[in-house]
Amino acid sequence: NAGVTQTPKFRILKIGQSMTLQCTQDMNHNYMYWYRQDPGMGLKLIYYSVGAGITDKGEVPNGYNVSRSTTEDFPLRLELAAPSQTSVYFCASSSMRGPFLQETQYFGPGTRLLVL
Amino acid sequence: SQELEQSPQSLIVQEGKNLTINCTSSKTLYGLYWYKQKYGEGLIFLMMLQKGGEEKSHEKITAKLDEKKQQSSLHITASQPSHAGIYLCGAYYSGNTPLVFGKGTRLSVIA
Repeated sequence: NAGVTQTPKFRILKIGQSMTLQCTQDMNHNYMYWYRQDPGMGLKLIYYSVGAGITDKGEVPNGYNVSRSTTEDFPLRLELAAPSQTSVYFCASSSMRGPFLQETQYFGPGTRLLVL
Repeated sequence: SQELEQSPQSLIVQEGKNLTINCTSSKTLYGLYWYKQKYGEGLIFLMMLQKGGEEKSHEKITAKLDEKKQQSSLHITASQPSHAGIYLCGAYYSGNTPLVFGKGTRLSVIA
């Protein structure tokens, strides 16, 4: 299993440009997540999905959009890039959680985005 | 306000020394995870704690969750350069809410 894969690894955008960060998992996980990590700030949840066709906002959703048409893929879209979106973006997935939280989240290697 | 507070923010220890990282919640936790992040890489799962008073160990790393389920500690014995990185705690506050992360503790181990 490849686990969670993200592309690209690094990208430079100009203000106002748009792009899609790709995330794919091959573990048949229902739950998928997008986080951003700013220096010294830990991880903040942008969007998450509990299954194909279902998405929900996290803590910092403004400026982003997501879709979940398949179990495997969970792309994150930036429509009008702004300098405040310079960050490292992590995608994660987990299996459906029952009451005993046996499953952890598996993280991709991250996408480093610079908006100039 | 930040629900999960990690301390210290950064830590420099000499190789072979013991160290402790703390994660404190303002509310009772449903479950607590510890992750390690090497610089410029993704997060690696270390341990998960759910029961009050629970303690788990893996190699030289021990994690504990207090009885009230509001504080967890991560203890590393005889630190090595391979232990260097950023340690993050993440918490669930119910079975249906997403994971909330602390800001992380940056650990450096010097020879």
